[in-house]
Amino acid sequence: LAKTTQPISMDSYEGQEVNITCSHNNIATNDYITWYQQFPSQGPRFIIQGYKTKVTNEVASLFIPADRKSSTLSLPRVSLSDTAVYYCLVGTGFQKLVFGTGTRLLVSP
Amino acid sequence: DVKVTQSSRYLVKRTGEKVFLECVQDMDHENMFWYRQDPGLGLRLIYFSYDVKMKEKGDIPEGYSVSREKKERFSLILESASTNQTSMYLCASTSTRGYEQYFGPGTRLTVT
Repeated sequence: LAKTTQPISMDSYEGQEVNITCSHNNIATNDYITWYQQFPSQGPRFIIQGYKTKVTNEVASLFIPADRKSSTLSLPRVSLSDTAVYYCLVGTGFQKLVFGTGTRLLVSP
Repeated sequence: DVKVTQSSRYLVKRTGEKVFLECVQDMDHENMFWYRQDPGLGLRLIYFSYDVKMKEKGDIPEGYSVSREKKERFSLILESASTNQTSMYLCASTSTRGYEQYFGPGTRLTVT
């Protein structure tokens, strides 16, 4: 299973764009990249998934370079409610996924 | 909307007790998972099941067992609870053709 590395924590202010980068040097050909968000005392929630290039949904964008050894989750114009832990995962979702410790994002007023 | 429910949000048990944590999903998903989450350690996979009566060990299966008698229900069993099993337990499910795991709200178990 591909291991991921992401920053332990990040700080931002309301209205700013936040980019969280994840490194996954050993990603396999069949692996997708998925990001989850977790609020305190709740289970993780799916945000976005991609295989290559760029994926955008109503919540976030995911940028994946051609070599797929890293990915960047972009949250546009964050608000206080975006304060959460963000997990980058690599793999095939219906099998084992390794969550790691995630990135703790703190958004301040 | 996919719904994954867990039998309890909070549970307090004594050392040595047998503990059952139940998880039910309503989307006919083939795959179900049990994780535990501890501060500084992230989520760690205990067991998963890809079909009724099938199970596979995750990364930390010691001290746990599971049961999947029906497709919608996946139970985690602590045969003899110990204090080091105090944790948040999270259940998840996904379809074989899907990549998104849907999580339940979690059960915070305290073993005293």
